Amino acid sequence: QKEVEQNSGPLSVPEGAIASLNCTYSDRGSQSFFWYRQYSGKSPELIMSIYSNGDKEDGRFTAQLNKASQYVSLLIRDSQPSDSATYLCAVGPGGGYQKVTFGTGTKLQVIP
Amino acid sequence: GAVVSQHPSRVICKSGTSVKIECRSLDFQATTMFWYRQFPKQSLMLMATSNEGSKATYEQGVEKDKFLINHASLTLSTLTVTSAHPEDSSFYICSAIPGGMNTEAFFGQGTRLTVV
Repeated sequence: QKEVEQNSGPLSVPEGAIASLNCTYSDRGSQSFFWYRQYSGKSPELIMSIYSNGDKEDGRFTAQLNKASQYVSLLIRDSQPSDSATYLCAVGPGGGYQKVTFGTGTKLQVIP
Repeated sequence: GAVVSQHPSRVICKSGTSVKIECRSLDFQATTMFWYRQFPKQSLMLMATSNEGSKATYEQGVEKDKFLINHASLTLSTLTVTSAHPEDSSFYICSAIPGGMNTEAFFGQGTRLTVV
């Protein structure tokens, strides 16, 4: 059973702070990793994808991957109230067939 | 990013009737689409993988005769919930992958199904 684990939260951070979201996965053969943002009642929106160890930055978002530790994280700098949502970690086998497994999500609350 | 359109966004139906949900890739061809179901405060659960021109692959525990999937073209997949019951009420979401060098999945807007 492939598992993706996330702390359900809620994670509360003040506006302007750094929010750190964590995810661990059980399948050591996983090759593709994604972070999605989901607002209540809406479908997920892709924020970041990462495929190799290290950091990947895109604007205020940084994804970090450590395959040896089977750990992937998302940092959100200068958090804004509009970042308040549930963040889903998704892990896939790589290659052209992306049957990903989703974590249960971490609810983030950015307090003005 | 790529655009996936899902219709309808919200539907209410009577118990025992069938409901069809459409998922379209608007600016790319998708040989593979995925159908998910999400209950309140839970994560997305993959129901089935829809393959253009062939039978869908269903996840364990998903009744293929109840959830009919048709992937008739490279831009359209449909999910039909047959003989719907109140326990089928959920948020149904499709996703598609443009393929090639792009391996990220893009989601439709989702369909909120309520069976009364």
